[in-house]
Amino acid sequence: DAGITQSPRHKVTETGTPVTLRCHQTENHRYMYWYRQDPGHGLRLIHYSYGVKDTDKGEVSEGYSVSRSKTEDFLLTLESATSSQTSVYFCATVEGQSGNTIYFGEGSWLTVV
Amino acid sequence: DAKTTQPPSMDCAEGRAANLPCNHSTISGNEYVYWYRQIHSQGPQYIIHGLKNNETNEMASLIITEDRKSSTLILPHATLRDTAVYYCIVRSSGGGADGLTFGKGTHLIIQP
Repeated sequence: DAGITQSPRHKVTETGTPVTLRCHQTENHRYMYWYRQDPGHGLRLIHYSYGVKDTDKGEVSEGYSVSRSKTEDFLLTLESATSSQTSVYFCATVEGQSGNTIYFGEGSWLTVV
Repeated sequence: DAKTTQPPSMDCAEGRAANLPCNHSTISGNEYVYWYRQIHSQGPQYIIHGLKNNETNEMASLIITEDRKSSTLILPHATLRDTAVYYCIVRSSGGGADGLTFGKGTHLIIQP
């Protein structure tokens, strides 16, 4: 695996509070992604990054922001958490060259009460 | 929308070969076919990928049709631990800028 570490792995927070999830990788991969997974929806792309300070929106980006100030870290922020953002969040990374393997982290379970 | 179509579920007897189909009729020439699986709520696990030719590794074989519009993942001797959701996805060779779009996958159930 690509040495992907997600933190925190589990978090319970209150509605309206800010939350930041961190994805850390040790392989110097250029591309990083944040997904959420909910029952009946599979994995849905929230945001992705194609380099330091280069990010773009995915399918379900509303209510989320991201930052990538270093190659190894990709942060996902919920500015004001809502109950609809209760989900499992997965980070993924890939080198970017043709046909390279995409690696996933183990997930961060977020509950908004 | 996902670029692939898979059956929602399949059963297979333990010890038999599990053949999981995937349709990707709109695949373009530089897009690879990837297979991943997810057990319970763990992170998706890479299985195999290919462009045109059939591929084999220690986990599985990938058969891609000549027109590349469909593929089959083969688990040669399925075990109970192979019970999982299997995702077939396509990805451009130009890099990850376009992300990866996952469908709902196939829930493979290995029966004892």
